[in-house]
Amino acid sequence: NAGVTQTPKFRVLKTGQSMTLLCAQDMNHEYMYWYRQDPGMGLRLIHYSVGEGTTAKGEVPDGYNVSRLKKQNFLLGLESAAPSQTSVYFCASSPIFSTDTQYFGPGTRLTVL
Amino acid sequence: GENVEQHPSTLSVQEGDSAVIKCTYSDSASNYFPWYKQELGKRPQLIIDIRSNVGEKKDQRIAVTLNKTAKHFSLHITETQPEDSAVYFCAATSPGVGNTPLVFGKGTRLSVIA
Repeated sequence: NAGVTQTPKFRVLKTGQSMTLLCAQDMNHEYMYWYRQDPGMGLRLIHYSVGEGTTAKGEVPDGYNVSRLKKQNFLLGLESAAPSQTSVYFCASSPIFSTDTQYFGPGTRLTVL
Repeated sequence: GENVEQHPSTLSVQEGDSAVIKCTYSDSASNYFPWYKQELGKRPQLIIDIRSNVGEKKDQRIAVTLNKTAKHFSLHITETQPEDSAVYFCAATSPGVGNTPLVFGKGTRLSVIA
């Protein structure tokens, strides 16, 4: 099993450009999450999904959109990137919502110039 | 919503000494408290968790204690080793009807000095 994978691993964008981050899991988990990690800020939840076709806002959703068209994939989109979105993005999945182990992907380091 | 405060933000200990990281939470309904370890450049990984019906849980050199009355929980690492150097995150959540996602603390960077 590959577990949770993320593509790309690194990306540099110019302000105003758009991109999509892909998260894939092969553990048949119902729940998936997108976090951003900034120095001294911990892990902050952007959006999450409680099942195929569902999405919900987390703590810091502004400037991001998500889609869960297939159970194994969770996409995070930036429509118009801003320097404030420079961060490391982690995807995670879990078999039970919140009260069980979350399995994290390796992360995507995004720089917006 | 839930708010989790974590202290200290950085901690340095000598190899072999103990390390303690403390977290407080705001929602008295929260009943699941995991701890994640993130080594440099790696992904966070669960190392131990505790539920509110238990006051203490141990796994070899690590233990977590929970005080529901005071709304705080702590991670204890004994006989620290260089490989314990990492950032540790606590988290809390309140499951059930209308359950909420995990809320993480801001992390503690632990350095074990050989």
